[in-house]
Amino acid sequence: GQQVQQSPASLVLQEGENAELQCNFSTSLNSMQWFYQRPGGSLVSLFYNPSGTKQSGRLTSTTVIKERRSSLHISSSQTTDSGTYLCAMDTGNYKYVFGAGTRLKVIA
Amino acid sequence: SVLLYQKPNRDICQSGTSLKIQCVADSQVVSMFWYQQFQEQSLMLMATANEGSEATYESGFTKDKFPISRPNLTFSTLTVNNARPGDSSIYFCSSQFQDTQYFGPGTRLLVL
Repeated sequence: GQQVQQSPASLVLQEGENAELQCNFSTSLNSMQWFYQRPGGSLVSLFYNPSGTKQSGRLTSTTVIKERRSSLHISSSQTTDSGTYLCAMDTGNYKYVFGAGTRLKVIA
Repeated sequence: SVLLYQKPNRDICQSGTSLKIQCVADSQVVSMFWYQQFQEQSLMLMATANEGSEATYESGFTKDKFPISRPNLTFSTLTVNNARPGDSSIYFCSSQFQDTQYFGPGTRLLVL
């Protein structure tokens, strides 16, 4: 079936450092989203990014369709960025397959 | 955007019992989705629920074990029948609005 691979599985940063999170898709991409999951469990969408580059504040997402990958860049990390970052692929009709996530911890 | 509410936030139940998880949207949505997430693992799509039709289930999930109702465009209920410790996880409802998938806060279930 369709698979989504995320790397790294976990990451520890000093506050102020940058991070690059990767997401690879096993099949051709229809659309995808990046999500942030808070330590308490709730999820929030960061980017809907089927192709190209999008930026929001310190976050930048780049999706390259023909290479079936997407990345999430976090610049100048803050302790409040700690949590799990998930990418997900829309397999059709908004049914998403999720990656296993990158667990980020930012220490002061 | 759309806001999704879930009730209960968490529940503890005994093996063999059934429990219901409710999801309410603050606006009408075409499809509601249910996801399961085990501790430290990713989310797995369980089923899609549209108003007035039977839910469609993904591989590994069945109507008998996880019946889902969708009586109107703002409400859905997931039932966990004959709960087992292996069902202990977080259950999320979600829905799509324009380009974004929105999630409820989740229901943490512990089956003893």
